[in-house]
Amino acid sequence: EDQVTQSPEALRLQEGESSSLNCSYTVSGLRGLFWYRQDPGKGPEFLFTLYSAGEEKEKERLKATLTKKESFLHITAPKPEDSATYLCAVQAPKAGRRALTFGSGTRLQVQP
Amino acid sequence: NAGVTQTPKFQVLKTGQSMTLQCAQDMNHEYMSWYRQDPGMGLRLIHYSVGAGITDQGEVPNGYNVSRSTTEDFPLRLLSAAPSQTSVYFCASSIRQGKETQYFGPGTRLLVL
Repeated sequence: EDQVTQSPEALRLQEGESSSLNCSYTVSGLRGLFWYRQDPGKGPEFLFTLYSAGEEKEKERLKATLTKKESFLHITAPKPEDSATYLCAVQAPKAGRRALTFGSGTRLQVQP
Repeated sequence: NAGVTQTPKFQVLKTGQSMTLQCAQDMNHEYMSWYRQDPGMGLRLIHYSVGAGITDQGEVPNGYNVSRSTTEDFPLRLLSAAPSQTSVYFCASSIRQGKETQYFGPGTRLLVL
């Protein structure tokens, strides 16, 4: 069974204090690993897709990396507007489904 | 493009009532799905559709029905609401071909009393 575990559950940073969020996964035949950002009361907003170990993608202060067992979302010099819940999800072929298996997320709070 | 839209934004139901959550997308995506989000559990797949006229069950399908008569619309029906269906519901869509990314709607918050 596909499993995704995110840590920590919650993280509080000071503005400018860099850190990393972890996403560990167990899946047979990874097709893609996705990172989403979710603001309170809103739907998940797509950030990155990673397809193979060693791949990296960047967007502003965010950088996502992927190994065979986990992915990291590095946040460099965060700002208060980066406060949100960050969701990790994996996609693997399963009887034709394109379903995503999600972790429970990391709630990030960046204080000014 | 409006992307993925959902209505209503919020709904209160009494146990046993029925209702339909609406989802529409204007991106000509073939794949559409419904998830529910509960505290501490992540999003879980309810039903999905790979194209008009084709639907299938996800991880937690009990108590929900879907249909897909057009490419644009994918409504979710609760036939007899139960308090356990109190949740936030998200619709998502993606193109069929390639390593597609799923785009989510803004969600419907449902409270069943």
